[in-house]
Amino acid sequence: QSALTQPRSVSGSPGQSVTISCTGTSSDVGGYNYVSWYQQHPGKAPKLMIYDVSKRPSGVPDRFSGSKSGNTASLTISGLQAEDEADYYCCSYAGSYTFGVFGGGTKLTVL
Amino acid sequence: QVQLVESGGGLVKPGGSLRLSCAASGFTFSDYYMSWIRQAPGKGLEWVSYISSSSSYTNYADSVKGRFTISRDNAKNSLYLQMNSLRAEDTAVYYCAREVAAAATFDYWGQGTLVTVSS
Repeated sequence: QSALTQPRSVSGSPGQSVTISCTGTSSDVGGYNYVSWYQQHPGKAPKLMIYDVSKRPSGVPDRFSGSKSGNTASLTISGLQAEDEADYYCCSYAGSYTFGVFGGGTKLTVL
Repeated sequence: QVQLVESGGGLVKPGGSLRLSCAASGFTFSDYYMSWIRQAPGKGLEWVSYISSSSSYTNYADSVKGRFTISRDNAKNSLYLQMNSLRAEDTAVYYCAREVAAAATFDYWGQGTLVTVSS
């Protein structure tokens, strides 16, 4: 069982918006503003899309946004494009002992 | 540009050992914490271990504590993972990743190396 809970799958049509949730506890998501999101295409390495809850690395489209409320973080992708179809993973800092905990991943299908 | 290239994966029998390497380039390696993260076939990501920039601090997931050892050689821009007492459940693609601010945020990843533990 993964430490953070994500929906197994979400879907949307091109141009629509989708939101992926990531639920943890006060020991991880709720306790720190260090939630990150990764996109992974089949057979490829993960790519950082969002860090520190809502910051975007250089080169990541502004269609990707992040937020957090309590113990749940969210990734929203607006203006869906075919190339957004991938697996998405959240990750949270969980203190110096546990360090990093990932979600189980969400498969995004662009219909 | 930042590049991380893993090597050393392969097939090993249960109870065996393997040493993974990660060659870094395109950035000042000695300035960054580094981590190993793995992904079992068809499964999600699991953080395995991190090491601080000067090797002063290391940490491990409970699943590998006492069996795996992370190390680095800043003069060679290289990261290592010594894996002992390997189990079938250690079968995974192992990625090395550069950390941002030691906050479990990984901004660059290698392409991964596959470790298969099977008799």
